[in-house]
Amino acid sequence: GQNIDQPTEMTATEGAIVQINCTYQTSGFNGLFWYQQHAGEAPTFLSYNVLDGLEEKGRFSSFLSRSKGYSYLLLKELQMKDSASYLCAVRDVGNDMRFGAGTRLTVKP
Amino acid sequence: GAGVSQSPSNKVTEKGKDVELRCDPISGHTALYWYRQSLGQGLEFLIYFQGNSAPDKSGLPSDRFSAERTGGSVSTLTIQRTQQEDSAVYLCASSLTGAAYNEQFFGPGTRLTVL
Repeated sequence: GQNIDQPTEMTATEGAIVQINCTYQTSGFNGLFWYQQHAGEAPTFLSYNVLDGLEEKGRFSSFLSRSKGYSYLLLKELQMKDSASYLCAVRDVGNDMRFGAGTRLTVKP
Repeated sequence: GAGVSQSPSNKVTEKGKDVELRCDPISGHTALYWYRQSLGQGLEFLIYFQGNSAPDKSGLPSDRFSAERTGGSVSTLTIQRTQQEDSAVYLCASSLTGAAYNEQFFGPGTRLTVL
């Protein structure tokens, strides 16, 4: 089976930096995804990591350490519109993708 | 181009009734996934279709759940004899292929409420 763990809630200030952690235990590994989901909307893709290291994409970066079963999503220069849930998901060697319960981020002025 | 669409957006039904949920994937996408998301829970994988291959049904929670994909495009998720615990948002996603690195594009979901 697979466990995907991430904090339930986080709060940060507009303009600041926030790091959302995700740890996973899987029988296999074929990549880790981060999705953003605003309330009442569908998840949208943010990043994909399959090799160790940092992937940077604008204000968002994602890091992966396969040996530690660990990833984080880094959001810089936070904006109010970044308030959303952030979902960590791991693709096993099969077809399914296992999602964490999500981290609800609240950005305050 | 158009994204993934799902219908209906909301469905309220009585316990014991059957329901059908529809998903129209992005044109040209060969892989299609169904998930459900209960309040405060992560997305739960249900079923996966890839081209003309036999679907991966490993995530279906019971034999009351079934899904079809006709002509490699539109998919229908059917829940028979609905129970209150089936209440959730049912999300459909498609990707260009079933390769792990392919981004999944999600539809807006169908919110199912079983009374």
